[in-house]
Amino acid sequence: NAGVTQTPKFRVLKTGQSMTLLCAQDMNHEYMYWYRQDPGMGLRLIHYSVGEGTTAKGEVPDGYNVSRLKKQNFLLGLESAAPSQTSVYFCASSTGSYNYGYTFGSGTRLTVV
Amino acid sequence: AQSVTQLGSHVSVSEGALVLLRCNYSSSVPPYLFWYVQYPNQGLQLLLKYTSAATLVKGINGFEAEFKKSETSFHLTKPSAHMSDAAEYFCAVRYGNNRLAFGKGNQVVVIP
Repeated sequence: NAGVTQTPKFRVLKTGQSMTLLCAQDMNHEYMYWYRQDPGMGLRLIHYSVGEGTTAKGEVPDGYNVSRLKKQNFLLGLESAAPSQTSVYFCASSTGSYNYGYTFGSGTRLTVV
Repeated sequence: AQSVTQLGSHVSVSEGALVLLRCNYSSSVPPYLFWYVQYPNQGLQLLLKYTSAATLVKGINGFEAEFKKSETSFHLTKPSAHMSDAAEYFCAVRYGNNRLAFGKGNQVVVIP
């Protein structure tokens, strides 16, 4: 089925370890986003991209890096994981049209111990 | 800056009763507003959206929302709650570069 695929679905990291979360979409969307969801905080934007080769900071970018080398993929990296980065991470994509909503992936649950 | 306020993190409603979730927005330009639903262990799904075509917007699963500019509100309603409506609901407003600012969400519990 067409949509947004996130890998992995679950991960446990030790403090200081690094990892990369992968987001892939097959809808030819220009815009892609990474959000984190924490209880009582809603969704907060980490980084986003308005097209292949572009990235920009969102609301809570510290401790994360991103890359968009291919239009269909948007990678989120944690260079040195901290317990404060324990969260559920969601990727989303959009056409960029203002009357078009986002398509979300099913999320990655990350625990940093 | 654009922002969204959702009051009451947990909302309990009896099966068959009215569901009402409140959303107030802050926007310096005519807003594009959205409601999303998240079922347990899933991503967010679009329920409905306001894009200035009509003030009363109908969405999936019997939900609807009314845009009121004078009150800067976009409240979500459903006349009769069903057990399957138990989920978390998020209101969101669009801003620069096609970003969405989300409210903190309402966890809806349906009581049999």
